[in-house]
Amino acid sequence: TQLLEQSPQFLSIQEGENLTVYCNSSSVFSSLQWYRQEPGEGPVLLVTVVTGGEVKKLKRLTFQFGDARKDSSLHITAAQPGDTGLYLCAGARTNFGNEKLTFGTGTRLTIIP
Amino acid sequence: DTGVSQDPRHKITKRGQNVTFRCDPISEHNRLYWYRQTLGQGPEFLTYFQNEAQLEKSRLLSDRFSAERPKGSFSTLEIQRTEQGDSAMYLCASSFFGIQETQYFGPGTRLLVL
Repeated sequence: TQLLEQSPQFLSIQEGENLTVYCNSSSVFSSLQWYRQEPGEGPVLLVTVVTGGEVKKLKRLTFQFGDARKDSSLHITAAQPGDTGLYLCAGARTNFGNEKLTFGTGTRLTIIP
Repeated sequence: DTGVSQDPRHKITKRGQNVTFRCDPISEHNRLYWYRQTLGQGPEFLTYFQNEAQLEKSRLLSDRFSAERPKGSFSTLEIQRTEQGDSAMYLCASSFFGIQETQYFGPGTRLLVL
């Protein structure tokens, strides 16, 4: 059972456009990570957010953790073909290390040149 | 490259055969995790170790699955009497236990059971 729902599941947009991916849950997480996964490879960590309301920027990517620590969003500005991939959010429930991560269903993003 | 490595990267086997996968974590990491990812889904937790102790196992881990980390370094995941439903990507991750630890994933082993 996936406790983290991501939307949209699939997104295909033109290069240069902006987009937002959402990660929602009814559960509270102590931290939330965003990963990007290429076909045939393992997930690569993009960011960890810990504090409710926290906003982190990574170049053209902006990550936000909801005030109640139940949801998160990833916003990409001026998308580029290199942003294509599967984006996964993952929540951890302990303050003493990730232990088991609960992953979302994923958003498959395609940027069309 | 000192990242997490997994071997083999791909495995094709016939139903009923046993398979074993290996994971070598980042050398100073004391925690090691196994996840399974099926097509179109996010990874699902299977089990994890702190040093050589297996601290938690998911209900997904049936009695046909066994994982070990005998010396607190590399780990193996064995599946006995494979079934077609075992076909998936098996991912290993490692971390250093502490506040806000980060899990680093290996490239995965893709298993296909015919």
